[in-house]
Amino acid sequence: GDSVTQMEGPVTLSEEACLTINCTYTATGYPSLFWYVQYPGEGLQLLLKATKADDKGSNKGFEATYRKETTSFHLEKGSVQVSDSAVYFCALYSNDYKLSFGAGTTVTVRA
Amino acid sequence: DVKVTQSSRYLVKRTGEKVFLECVQDMDHENMFWYRQDPGLGLRLIYFSYDVKMKEKGDIPEGYSVSREKKERFSLILESASTNQTSMYLCASSSPKGAIREQYFGPGTRLTVT
Repeated sequence: GDSVTQMEGPVTLSEEACLTINCTYTATGYPSLFWYVQYPGEGLQLLLKATKADDKGSNKGFEATYRKETTSFHLEKGSVQVSDSAVYFCALYSNDYKLSFGAGTTVTVRA
Repeated sequence: DVKVTQSSRYLVKRTGEKVFLECVQDMDHENMFWYRQDPGLGLRLIYFSYDVKMKEKGDIPEGYSVSREKKERFSLILESASTNQTSMYLCASSSPKGAIREQYFGPGTRLTVT
């Protein structure tokens, strides 16, 4: 079945450091890919998305490119802030109404 | 903006109690979902519904049931709560229209069963 594997955390960074969270997927066909973010005490929010190969999703300084050849959708940010401390989830949609989520990566940014 | 609300942010129940978690969405979405979130396990789908009175089992339906009597409301029921059901419960909704199936989440209910 469809699945997502993402980098395990936790990840701790200093402010202004670069962040990369790896995400790879297994799916038949051409899934849509998402990154969700969960800030402390809140539900999940959609951070960015991509629906086809070579699409780049971007939001709030984060970017991810849909790479069909490597079945990857890595999340990157060039300079993180304390407010980026959160749990990040990679997810894919292929069919059957459902999203498949990765296990989540906890990111802590220190001032 | 899509709004998904859940009836409680925190809930403490005793073993054996019947527990109702309510979810309401205001965007006229056809699809609604219940997940539980546990550290290291990500989100696991319990049940989903693609229409009023319709329901489908997700990956971990055991010990749970659901009800969807109105389009905007989707309830999760723990018939007899057990300590291994202590978790964060997240409700979500989506529309089947268009190619993108992004889901919109509520704030979550942290349930503790003692």
